[in-house]
Amino acid sequence: GENVEQHPSTLSVQEGDSAVIKCTYSDSASNYFPWYKQELGKGPQLIIDIRSNVGEKKDQRIAVTLNKTAKHFSLHITETQPEDSAVYFCAARTSGTGNQFYFGTGTSLTVIP
Amino acid sequence: DGGITQSPKYLFRKEGQNVTLSCEQNLNHDAMYWYRQDPGQGLRLIYYSQIVNDFQKGDIAEGYSVSREKKESFPLTVTSAQKNPTAFYLCASSIRIGHDEQFFGPGTRLTVL
Repeated sequence: GENVEQHPSTLSVQEGDSAVIKCTYSDSASNYFPWYKQELGKGPQLIIDIRSNVGEKKDQRIAVTLNKTAKHFSLHITETQPEDSAVYFCAARTSGTGNQFYFGTGTSLTVIP
Repeated sequence: DGGITQSPKYLFRKEGQNVTLSCEQNLNHDAMYWYRQDPGQGLRLIYYSQIVNDFQKGDIAEGYSVSREKKESFPLTVTSAQKNPTAFYLCASSIRIGHDEQFFGPGTRLTVL
């Protein structure tokens, strides 16, 4: 099955700096890659996603890049703010039975004011 | 106000007891999912349902059971056969299986004493 690895597990940045979180996946048939933000005690919320036929997508301060050949994708947050502090998860959706999502292990981002 | 509700937020049970976690959605979504989240691990799929009266096992279904008698409801029972039931449980839904976005509930933290 699919295996998604995520790095780093923790990340601290100064307010205003950029943060980058990286994920790799193993199944070349995976075709959809969402990123979720999870605040303490809450469920994950989708913040940005990318399909396998696109190399980059931006939404204000957030961007995601995808390299299908290398099977990796990254989340970029620019001009970080304290409210960006949360746990971020990447995921990959397979195209097989159930179109199952496989999640990375999460990155705890702390933005220091 | 559309969304997914899970109850209760915190649940304590004695070892050997079955316990049922509630998940309700008013988004008119066909597909619903149960995930388990453990510290330092990504979300892992327990069960999913494409439609009423249908459900399929995910990667870690052993020791769990579900039902889908109504479109809005997808309760999860953690049985005494589940060897390590203490975890954070997340319910999610999507318009249909294979649709991109999954919406997550706020989660239930189960502690087995």
